[in-house]
Amino acid sequence: QQQVRQSPQSLTVWEGETAILNCSYENSAFDYFPWYQQFPGEGPALLISILSVSDKKEDGRFTIFFNKREKKLSLHIADSQPGDSATYFCAASGTQVVGQLTFGRGTRLQVYA
Amino acid sequence: GALVYQYPRRTICKSGTSMRMECQAVGFQATSVAWYRQSPQKTFELIALSTVNSAIKYEQNFTQEKFPISHPNLSFSSMTVLNAYLEDRGLYLCGARTQISYEQYFGPGTRLTVL
Repeated sequence: QQQVRQSPQSLTVWEGETAILNCSYENSAFDYFPWYQQFPGEGPALLISILSVSDKKEDGRFTIFFNKREKKLSLHIADSQPGDSATYFCAASGTQVVGQLTFGRGTRLQVYA
Repeated sequence: GALVYQYPRRTICKSGTSMRMECQAVGFQATSVAWYRQSPQKTFELIALSTVNSAIKYEQNFTQEKFPISHPNLSFSSMTVLNAYLEDRGLYLCGARTQISYEQYFGPGTRLTVL
């Protein structure tokens, strides 16, 4: 059973558009949600994260929207750039067992100039 | 800033042999280190979570006998893949965090190929 689901599997946007990546989870005990960006041949890099007490977190062009009731969150990448082309992973953990992240399968984003 | 190094970056071993990989945290105290394996299909599996001064907790399907881990101090951890076979191939990632933060930082991974 996949506890963290991501959609779409792949996404293509034009430079300057907003890319929207979706994530949902099953476990109500999850309350910490980081997003990671991974380029080919590299490890995942922490991009932005949110705790379940918040419904929005913004950092530059990256914004997480969080809906606890529906167990859904989304990552919005504003003004997408070709350099944002990568695979994005939504992850989740409980703050009582921090360090044990459950990852989604990723969304592969392609930004065309 | 927080940096995590892993080495080797790539390794090839013969089926049935073992290989050791290392993880080093720089710029912060890695009180907790999690080892993951990322499959060729990009899915992540948590192998074990190691916290300094606590027992290492292995996930289902992973054992200490197969993946022994050492976490002797706040900057270093190592894991060995014993008796490696084809199903052990993948990118082994080390994720480290401090006690006071939820944020987990990953190294670049050690890519294991088994012949």
